[in-house]
Amino acid sequence: EVQLVESGGGLVQPGRSLKLSCAASGFTFSNYGMAWVRQTPTKGLEWVASISTGGGNTYYRDSVKGRFTISRDNAKNTQYLQMDSLRSEDTATYYCARHPWEEVDYWGQGVMVTVSS
Amino acid sequence: DIQMTQSPASLSASLGETVSIECLASEGISNSLAWYQQKPGKSPQLLIYGASSLQDGVPSRFSGSGSGTQYSLKISGMQPEDEGVYYCQQGYKYPWTFGGGTKLELK
Repeated sequence: EVQLVESGGGLVQPGRSLKLSCAASGFTFSNYGMAWVRQTPTKGLEWVASISTGGGNTYYRDSVKGRFTISRDNAKNTQYLQMDSLRSEDTATYYCARHPWEEVDYWGQGVMVTVSS
Repeated sequence: DIQMTQSPASLSASLGETVSIECLASEGISNSLAWYQQKPGKSPQLLIYGASSLQDGVPSRFSGSGSGTQYSLKISGMQPEDEGVYYCQQGYKYPWTFGGGTKLELK
């Protein structure tokens, strides 16, 4: 059974950093692209970043480029999202996502990130 | 960025009724279109990928169609468990973008 379990969320002040982790199991992690998608009641679902199977290619939405870094450790079956210079508009539920091609076929349960002073 | 416009924003359907949800892309996306269902407090679940391919385990009453910029999701025979919010998503080019969602309720 495919499982994606996020951790690392919480309350953080604007300008500070937070690192999300996603532990994957139930599939060959190194064979799949991975992504982070976030959701808010006002903006809905927003793709944040993607990373290729080997980690050599990364992609970001413009609003997080230069502030967020997606990475993966295939030996640990884990992907990460390092979030720096956080802003209030980054407040959201963040989902770890597996994407075999152009869609997400499995989602984690989500982790809440709140950016507030 | 490619904009995805979903319609309607909400609808109510009777048991057994056939329901259609539309998704319009701001430019052609070559069938790189997925549909998801999300229930309250849960993560989205993939229903359809590649515009018309049914994800494993998804009931056959769900179907997807379309081409170019216009796509649709059809539920042939509304069931109580089909209540939720439905989203389309284009994977044609980054940034991936989602529609605003369609809330489906049982009448």
